[in-house]
Amino acid sequence: DADVTQTPRNRITKTGKRIMLECSQTKGHDRMYWYRQDPGLGLRLIYYSFDVKDINKGEISDGYSVSRQAQAKFSLSLESAIPNQTALYFCATSPGQATYGYTFGSGTRLTVV
Amino acid sequence: GENVEQHPSTLSVQEGDSAVIKCTYSDSASNYFPWYKQELGKRPQLIIDIRSNVGEKKDQRIAVTLNKTAKHFSLHITETQPEDSAVYFCAASRGSNSGYALNFGKGTSLLVTP
Repeated sequence: DADVTQTPRNRITKTGKRIMLECSQTKGHDRMYWYRQDPGLGLRLIYYSFDVKDINKGEISDGYSVSRQAQAKFSLSLESAIPNQTALYFCATSPGQATYGYTFGSGTRLTVV
Repeated sequence: GENVEQHPSTLSVQEGDSAVIKCTYSDSASNYFPWYKQELGKRPQLIIDIRSNVGEKKDQRIAVTLNKTAKHFSLHITETQPEDSAVYFCAASRGSNSGYALNFGKGTSLLVTP
């Protein structure tokens, strides 16, 4: 679904490097989320945002930071990547009304070596 | 926080049989329960959802049931087909109390053999 675009699709980085994963959407949704997927663990919430002024920590925010640059853009940063941050990362959006209508991006596969 | 448990972790059925996946949740304030299907290498896709004021919902071969008292909900797939093979995730949300964020189960890998 081109409505929620994640870049890059794949990335290999070295331990200790800073890396940014980007998410942009054309759905006009207010709410944006970053989830991490590990085999056998499902998807776990890292951060979420209601709008550019509202950022909230999720279940596993340690080691991550985010920036909501505009309604349409929500970036996830790993300040100093470590190998156990190797995972598949999904951005998702949902509308601001009391409905859910999640749309997931295609995912970014990150490998930290 | 909300804890969602999902069983079984793997499920193998023959084509045409039914498949049932069960989830339990811990937070009685949860009020929205979606199910997602994820094919290999793809993003999760919503297949059905149910809100806490409804006990059952059907969409062709797929149905979801919710027991609020027992805090569990289940996905039922009838007349399974090989293309139903995928990983299925249940989730629960407390709505506005948690920013409409979803708490996911760990997933069930469903294999439908011809």
